[in-house]
Amino acid sequence: DAKTTQPPSMDCAEGRAANLPCNHSTISGNEYVYWYRQIHSQGPQYIIHGLKNNETNEMASLIITEDRKSSTLILPHATLRDTAVYYCIVSPRQGAQKLVFGQGTRLTINP
Amino acid sequence: GAVVSQHPSWVICKSGTSVKIECRSLDFQATTMFWYRQFPKQSLMLMATSNEGSKATYEQGVEKDKFLINHASLTLSTLTVTSAHPEDSSFYICSARDHRAQYSNQPQHFGDGTRLSIL
Repeated sequence: DAKTTQPPSMDCAEGRAANLPCNHSTISGNEYVYWYRQIHSQGPQYIIHGLKNNETNEMASLIITEDRKSSTLILPHATLRDTAVYYCIVSPRQGAQKLVFGQGTRLTINP
Repeated sequence: GAVVSQHPSWVICKSGTSVKIECRSLDFQATTMFWYRQFPKQSLMLMATSNEGSKATYEQGVEKDKFLINHASLTLSTLTVTSAHPEDSSFYICSARDHRAQYSNQPQHFGDGTRLSIL
């Protein structure tokens, strides 16, 4: 599986947009970019995923660069409940889809 | 939406006992489920892939005789920590994806985890 690189921690003010970067320079053509987050003492929560086009859902937006070597997760109006560890993972869509977690980014939303 | 349920959510037991953790997919069927372990302040570490009707596939360094996995139906996988010791204390998490998802665009979903404490 392709390795991802994320900053270990980030801070954001409540109500502002939180932009979380992820580098995945060795991503292959059949691999998707998935974002999950984990709030303390809970299982990871799915946020969004994409292949090459930008994606948006009720939780977030995902911007993938044209060369697909990096992406940015955007939480448009961060709230205190968005404080969590955010994981960027690349994995093939086909097959069993084993997800290998890196260290993620610990996002802290400040009041 | 897709829901994965784990039971129990926490368990405390004495050293030497065996503990069984259940992982259920509530509104979909899963031919494959995954088991992870997470120590404090660390990321999730994949332990094994649970395959319905066949043997589990273990990651390197994970003892298959220590962590017994059974995936007897399309909605249930169990992880049994045998002869548990304090070093086995951890947060155990399972995940699953609809078995039809490989032909669609559905992601994996995770249970809420089981906190295991061995005294």
